[in-house]
Amino acid sequence: EAQVTQNPRYLITVTGKKLTVTCSQNMNHEYMSWYRQDPGLGLRQIYYSMNVEVTDKGDVPEGYKVSRKEKRNFPLILESPSPNQTSLYFCASSPTGWDEKLFFGSGTQLSVL
Amino acid sequence: GQQVMQIPQYQHVQEGEDFTTYCNSSTTLSNIQWYKQRPGGHPVFLIQLVKSGEVKKQKRLTFQFGEAKKNSSLHITATQTTDVGTYFCAGLDYKLSFGAGTTVTVRA
Repeated sequence: EAQVTQNPRYLITVTGKKLTVTCSQNMNHEYMSWYRQDPGLGLRQIYYSMNVEVTDKGDVPEGYKVSRKEKRNFPLILESPSPNQTSLYFCASSPTGWDEKLFFGSGTQLSVL
Repeated sequence: GQQVMQIPQYQHVQEGEDFTTYCNSSTTLSNIQWYKQRPGGHPVFLIQLVKSGEVKKQKRLTFQFGEAKKNSSLHITATQTTDVGTYFCAGLDYKLSFGAGTTVTVRA
């Protein structure tokens, strides 16, 4: 089944403890992206990648890192999480870019205490 | 910078009634996409509009793209409980920007 898989689904952590949220797609998509969703703010882009080894900042990249070493994987790294990074995170992919429909993962609800 | 505004933020609808959600951009868009997110779920692509003045229908859903390609609307007729969720528009100019969404609840 074609899908975008995110893990974990829920995560509770403490301030400053490094964490990684994984994202993997099995559709051979070139484009992948991370969003955070907060009430009243919609979906805001954190980082995106047009292809392997190519990543760019989105609208809210501060406090986040990403890597794209393989086409299928696009992990989101929080080196030193803070409470303002408590949010619902979505990974998304599309065949070539943001002019095509996005396929979203199931989401990761992160709470930073 | 590009901004996509979506109204209303909340829509409470009686089952069987119609409603419309609107999306407005500060810049001219190449295309606009619409997504639906069910409660507790993830956004799912509904449709993409590309041409000026374009109208597309999906059963009870009608999507329009404005003549100036700066606004769009989603109209749902005869609302059902299955329509519950948050509807997002996403406009593309030099990047894809999402609106804040319209959260729809339905009174049976």
